[in-house]
Amino acid sequence: SQQGEEDPQALSIQEGENATMNCSYKTSINNLQWYRQNSGRGLVHLILIRSNEREKHSGRLRVTLDTSKKSSSLLITASRAADTASYFCASRQTSGSRLTFGEGTQLTVNP
Amino acid sequence: NAGVTQTPKFQVLKTGQSMTLQCAQDMNHEYMSWYRQDPGMGLRLIHYSVGAGITDQGEVPNGYNVSRSTTEDFPLRLLSAAPSQTSVYFCASSMKTRDRGLYGYTFGSGTRLTVV
Repeated sequence: SQQGEEDPQALSIQEGENATMNCSYKTSINNLQWYRQNSGRGLVHLILIRSNEREKHSGRLRVTLDTSKKSSSLLITASRAADTASYFCASRQTSGSRLTFGEGTQLTVNP
Repeated sequence: NAGVTQTPKFQVLKTGQSMTLQCAQDMNHEYMSWYRQDPGMGLRLIHYSVGAGITDQGEVPNGYNVSRSTTEDFPLRLLSAAPSQTSVYFCASSMKTRDRGLYGYTFGSGTRLTVV
């Protein structure tokens, strides 16, 4: 079964607006990562947050992690049409070396 | 720096045929993994390796074999193709770190496989 679940499954916003995607996971993790996938392409790593971190920023991306709720969120500020893609969270459990993905959020940014 | 290279990009197989999906990385990454991506199901881990000579099963290993004889290569073998194996297959690699956690994975561009 999938370790992570993402919400919403699809999100459509206007350029300039902020986009927030949420991810929940089931077991204790070592870190949580976010990836972007453009249509027909491979995944690209965006940001990693470790289990002892609560918030991390990278450019227009802001990731939070709440280990007590087993959840994470990805905020993209001032979105652009080029941000249109699927976004996946992936968690690495404390036991083992596997990286397990959620089902993804399809983000559409309308110009 | 080529990153992660997957071949072929597209493949059509008949049920019962076997084939090998190739994956090579030139970043000296210890960790390598194979995932399959199906609509509405995200990415599911097939097999993974934490170094040359070491492999382990993921969530959906049945029907697939792997080996890791070198750090660079991690081929995925389909033993007897079935229509249920129609999917997009991604290979990914990552450094191993001494502290807690991995670096992010670098993904290949994928192999789109159709089994008829």
